[in-house]
Amino acid sequence: AQKITQTQPGMFVQEKEAVTLDCTYDTSDPSYGLFWYKQPSSGEMIFLIYQGSYDQQNATEGRYSLNFQKARKSANLVISASQLGDSAMYFCAMREGPGAQKLVFGQGTRLTINP
Amino acid sequence: GAVVSQHPSRVICKSGTSVKIECRSLDFQATTMFWYRQFPKKSLMLMATSNEGSKATYEQGVEKDKFLINHASLTLSTLTVTSAHPEDSSFYICSARIGPDGNSQYFGPGTRLTVL
Repeated sequence: AQKITQTQPGMFVQEKEAVTLDCTYDTSDPSYGLFWYKQPSSGEMIFLIYQGSYDQQNATEGRYSLNFQKARKSANLVISASQLGDSAMYFCAMREGPGAQKLVFGQGTRLTINP
Repeated sequence: GAVVSQHPSRVICKSGTSVKIECRSLDFQATTMFWYRQFPKKSLMLMATSNEGSKATYEQGVEKDKFLINHASLTLSTLTVTSAHPEDSSFYICSARIGPDGNSQYFGPGTRLTVL
């Protein structure tokens, strides 16, 4: 079974609009962490935002925010005021268990920002 | 933020040769590094977890004799693809963890391997 599911293979958004990238996860461990990474065409993985399972507030980092709905096991990434430079692949990932090391990645969503 | 480098960024080799890829943490010590593989238009798949001074932990289905990992120092891990074949062509990415809880994991820029 997929641990991390990203159901949107591609998204097209007009510049300056907000965009939500979906991510659902599956775990029975009460302690876990959720991550979003951006991968531009150059290939590097850029860390965007992190949400811990015990965090009471939704994580925010500049234009990025994570809509964490624990009961629904979803961790959607919201990008406000999108820019052309936001065009890239976006991956949701999960770390299970306290002190766990490895990340499991979703399939990714290719976001294209149109001028 | 923390910087992780990989070398080389691109490599083309003949089938049957071995290729070594280096992953370095430039401004921090990393007791744990990770090696991922990414096929075109696909997600990252964890190959192995590299721990300084001990044997790497390989994921299920990854041949340890094919993909040799050495983590000899706190700033360097190497992945050697032995007797490379065209099906080993892929994008290989390493990452290094800062801190005990794994919340901060920084990725290298990746190495594109093409085996002819």
